[in-house]
Amino acid sequence: AQSVSQHNHHVILSEAASLELGCNYSYGGTVNLFWYVQYPGQHLQLLLKYFSGDPLVKGIKGFEAEFIKSKFSFNLRKPSVQWSDTAEYFCAVSPKGYQKVTFGTGTKLQVIP
Amino acid sequence: DTAVSQTPKYLVTQMGNDKSIKCEQNLGHDTMYWYKQDSKKFLKIMFSYNNKELIINETVPNRFSPKSPDKAHLNLHINSLELGDSAVYFCASSPAGEDTQYFGPGTRLTVL
Repeated sequence: AQSVSQHNHHVILSEAASLELGCNYSYGGTVNLFWYVQYPGQHLQLLLKYFSGDPLVKGIKGFEAEFIKSKFSFNLRKPSVQWSDTAEYFCAVSPKGYQKVTFGTGTKLQVIP
Repeated sequence: DTAVSQTPKYLVTQMGNDKSIKCEQNLGHDTMYWYKQDSKKFLKIMFSYNNKELIINETVPNRFSPKSPDKAHLNLHINSLELGDSAVYFCASSPAGEDTQYFGPGTRLTVL
């Protein structure tokens, strides 16, 4: 069975700081990878996804993520965060062909104005 | 034109009661899911249905029973509610052959 680790549980940044959230997964085969965001009191929304091709994926709101197969990682980055990026961020993995998505435990990002 | 909708948004009930949560999607997706998000924000899949057929049934007490009358609807019925059932329950759907999850707004269930 697949698993996902998000090592940063709570990250506090000042506006304009750069962001990198770690995500590592455990699965022997090929996978689809996702980052979702959950703003306070809201549902999860897709930020970006990787299925195949270019390992550097660009998503909405200036976020990007890089798939490094040798490290089983899919870290999320943003060059300059804004107060409105305050939210919970979830990494997720799904083995290709199984339609079962496993989510990480989430990283709470707090951006201070 | 909400994509994935759930009712009710909030549900407060006493221990031992039976309650249902409804989910509908108008995206034409084939697969629908129920997730439970606990107080620590941990999100865990409970069930998934593909074209009305149950395909994922995680280790969930049999007090929880999903029902899919058609591929646009997936309801969740919970019998004999317990304190530990308090959580936010999210419905989601995904298109055929793809895992991207489209989430509903969630139902916050509080069991007193």
